[in-house]
Amino acid sequence: DGGITQSPKYLFRKEGQNVTLSCEQNLNHDAMYWYRQDPGQGLRLIYYSQIVNDFQKGDIAEGYSVSREKKESFPLTVTSAQKNPTAFYLCASNKDRGHNEQFFGPGTRLTVL
Amino acid sequence: AQSVTQLDSQVPVFEEAPVELRCNYSSSVSVYLFWYVQYPNQGLQLLLKYLSGSTLVKGINGFEAEFNKSQTSFHLRKPSVHISDTAEYFCAVSATFSGGYNKLIFGAGTRLAVHP
Repeated sequence: DGGITQSPKYLFRKEGQNVTLSCEQNLNHDAMYWYRQDPGQGLRLIYYSQIVNDFQKGDIAEGYSVSREKKESFPLTVTSAQKNPTAFYLCASNKDRGHNEQFFGPGTRLTVL
Repeated sequence: AQSVTQLDSQVPVFEEAPVELRCNYSSSVSVYLFWYVQYPNQGLQLLLKYLSGSTLVKGINGFEAEFNKSQTSFHLRKPSVHISDTAEYFCAVSATFSGGYNKLIFGAGTRLAVHP
C-alpha cells in the first residue's frame, strides 16, 4: 500500500543535541511538508519542498533544517538552536502544486529531557 | 492573508445525537477547503474537501459539510455520532503564496467528545 512513513514514533533528546526525524513516501508525490503540532495551536508549517534539491522555509523554520536529495525522502533535523522542541511532528505530501489534499504520516513525538 | 477560525475548541455530545463543528475562513477569490480528523497520537486523515461544484460535500464516516460563500463558512455535520467519532477535527484552506506554491492553513482544531 502507498503511504507515508515516519520514524521513530517516539524520540527523546537531551538538551543541546541535534536529532533527525525521518519521513519517506511511496506515493510518487512531488511536494512534501513538515508541520509542528502543539496542543491548542493546530499545525504550523516548518519547511516544504516542491521538487528534489529545493526547499523553502515555512512559518516557523528557525532551529530546524531539512534536505531533499531524493523524491521519496524529506528528513527534518531539529537542532540545538530550537529553544522549545518538545512537540508532535507531522510529515505530509501532495501530488503537485495544485490545491490538492495533503496526505499525512503517523507523526513523531519528540520530547526533550 | 488567508485564515481559518474554528469557533469551538471543544464540543461534547451524546452518542447518536447530531453534531455540527463550525469553521469560518477569510474571504478570497478562489477557496479550497478541507476537513481532517486526527485520532490520538496519529496523523491527520482527510474527511472531505471542497474544490468546486456542489456546495454540499459528502465525506467518509457519514460526515458532510456545506460551503457557504456569503457567510464564508464550511461547517462540518453528522446526523448521528458514535463513540468512535471522538477525535480532533481540523478545518483547513488552501492558499497560494509567493512562487506559485500552495499550502494549507489550518484552524486550531475542535475536540469532539462523544459520551455514551
